[in-house]
Amino acid sequence: AQSVAQPEDQVNVAEGNPLTVKCTYSVSGNPYLFWYVQYPNRGLQFLLKYITGDNLVKGSYGFEAEFNKSQTSFHLKKPSALVSDSALYFCAVSLPFSGGYNKLIFGAGTRLAVHP
Amino acid sequence: EAGVAQSPRYKIIEKRQSVAFWCNPISGHATLYWYQQILGQGPKLLIQFQNNGVVDDSQLPKDRFSAERLKGVDSTLKIQPAKLEDSAVYLCASSPRTPQGEQFFGPGTRLTVL
Repeated sequence: AQSVAQPEDQVNVAEGNPLTVKCTYSVSGNPYLFWYVQYPNRGLQFLLKYITGDNLVKGSYGFEAEFNKSQTSFHLKKPSALVSDSALYFCAVSLPFSGGYNKLIFGAGTRLAVHP
Repeated sequence: EAGVAQSPRYKIIEKRQSVAFWCNPISGHATLYWYQQILGQGPKLLIQFQNNGVVDDSQLPKDRFSAERLKGVDSTLKIQPAKLEDSAVYLCASSPRTPQGEQFFGPGTRLTVL
């Protein structure tokens, strides 16, 4: 079965420290990979995506993600965390299906808590 | 650019009642999605429209859920009758029709079924 795993329910980090939110996937073929963030009472916001090319992808708000094909991982990173980064983060995989369309499969989410 | 609009933001109903949610996508976006997000889980796709045609409704509980996108713009999602397990946030998203394109999400409707 095709799936996305976010092994940590919550990640705690001190402000100013680097952060990593982990994501691994189990899909066939070459999927597109996404990270979204969700703030309280708001919809998901797009952070970044990997389609092809350089394994290190840079996105919004200073976030970046590293694609590792051999480990089937797409971990989200930021060199220096801010308190305002505290939110719920979702990894997603875009899978092609019949008719030329794609669908997103989301992980369960990881809550990031950045402490002052 | 205006984002994806959804209404209502919150809804509380009794089980076996019916409810409807409305979504207005970003102008010009051909693809519209409805997701169900249960507390503690990631969003799950219920139905995907391309213009006013359905391209994927494999996870839509068709005995109680229905959705339409008349004229290829606004969309409504209906639940009739509601069950307790339908309590969730219902998210609408839209995207241009490109396989690599990100989806743009509305704020969601939080449904509580008592």
